[in-house]
Amino acid sequence: GENVEQHPSTLSVQEGDSAVIKCTYSDSASNYFPWYKQELGKRPQLIIDIRSNVGEKKDQRIAVTLNKTAKHFSLHITETQPEDSAVYFCAASTSDYKLSFGAGTTVTVRA
Amino acid sequence: NAGVTQTPKFQVLKTGQSMTLQCAQDMNHNSMYWYRQDPGMGLRLIYYSASEGTTDKGEVPNGYNVSRLNKREFSLRLESAAPSQTSVYFCASGLSGANVLTFGAGSRLTVL
Repeated sequence: GENVEQHPSTLSVQEGDSAVIKCTYSDSASNYFPWYKQELGKRPQLIIDIRSNVGEKKDQRIAVTLNKTAKHFSLHITETQPEDSAVYFCAASTSDYKLSFGAGTTVTVRA
Repeated sequence: NAGVTQTPKFQVLKTGQSMTLQCAQDMNHNSMYWYRQDPGMGLRLIYYSASEGTTDKGEVPNGYNVSRLNKREFSLRLESAAPSQTSVYFCASGLSGANVLTFGAGSRLTVL
């Protein structure tokens, strides 16, 4: 099955700086790559996703890039704010119903 | 709209006891999922239901059973709980496959 690795496991950034989280996947047939944000004690929520026919997607301060050749994709958060502190999960999907998640990155934004 | 509702929020079981986690969605979604979340391991798919009347195994199905009761409801049953099943369980639903999943609030299960 699909194997998704996520780095780093923890990330501390100064408010206003950028944060980057990287994920690699094993199955070249994967075609859908979502990112979920989970605040402490809350449910995961989708923040952005990208499909394999697109190289980059932006939504305000967040962006995702995909390199199909290298089989990796990244989440970029610019101008970080305290409310960006959370656990972020990447995922990859090879079928319509099976998402494989990374282990998560705990992001802390220091004021 | 309530979205995805799961019960109970917390449960403590003894080894060998059984229980059922309930999940209901009011978004008219076709597919429903059960995941477990363990520290350092992300979310792992236990079972899913692509549509009413169908269920399939995910990544970690051993020790669990599911029932898609109707389009709205998808339950997860532990027949004989084991300490290794101590986890936080999330139900989720999707309109079209696993794209744009909506998660429930989670159920924290402890097996002693």
